[in-house]
Amino acid sequence: GAGVSQSPSNKVTEKGKDVELRCDPISGHTALYWYRQSLGQGLEFLIYFQGNSAPDKSGLPSDRFSAERTGGSVSTLTIQRTQQEDSAVYLCASSFAGGGETQYFGPGTRLLVL
Amino acid sequence: AQSVTQPDIHITVSEGASLELRCNYSYGATPYLFWYVQSPGQGLQLLLKYFSGDTLVQGIKGFEAEFKRSQSSFNLRKPSVHWSDAAEYFCAPGGGADGLTFGKGTHLIIQP
Repeated sequence: GAGVSQSPSNKVTEKGKDVELRCDPISGHTALYWYRQSLGQGLEFLIYFQGNSAPDKSGLPSDRFSAERTGGSVSTLTIQRTQQEDSAVYLCASSFAGGGETQYFGPGTRLLVL
Repeated sequence: AQSVTQPDIHITVSEGASLELRCNYSYGATPYLFWYVQSPGQGLQLLLKYFSGDTLVQGIKGFEAEFKRSQSSFNLRKPSVHWSDAAEYFCAPGGGADGLTFGKGTHLIIQP
């Protein structure tokens, strides 16, 4: 496809369950970003990948969050033992390179933890 | 610490009137600067960006922004708004390994 795609578009889960969110960046984009958008916190940067490497994971909200990227393409964000405060829209973006390159955003995954 | 302030949570403008959305940032050095727009049910779309050079940058949909180093500001302007401009607008300095630092956003309402 032409843009960044994310799946699922919506996810409802029970507290304590694990969830996996997927991001497919624009083909050829080496940089990939995850953000979270919630009413209370606004848009927060979570993690950045250059290729398959994430040099700094300190933006992840807790150790229940992890992210990986394989083959320099698809990325997954995993949340273990979900909590109600994890409810948010998780956005993925990609850019041709890092630095000041334009980030193109996907439609997001809306996560609701009951 | 890096931060960005959009002081206006809501702005109401009449259709055809001019618009200015404010953005101030605090960064160690002049960062890359972006404005994004988010319409209901739509993803974030880039309006314009500033890297260096000319301090007045032009974007899509008739928007422009002016970088003022002395004021650490990057205000967004449009001479005449259209009803379709109603949306949430985000100022975002940054990029690269640190990601973008988004402001809280300004909700733009267009009055007929």
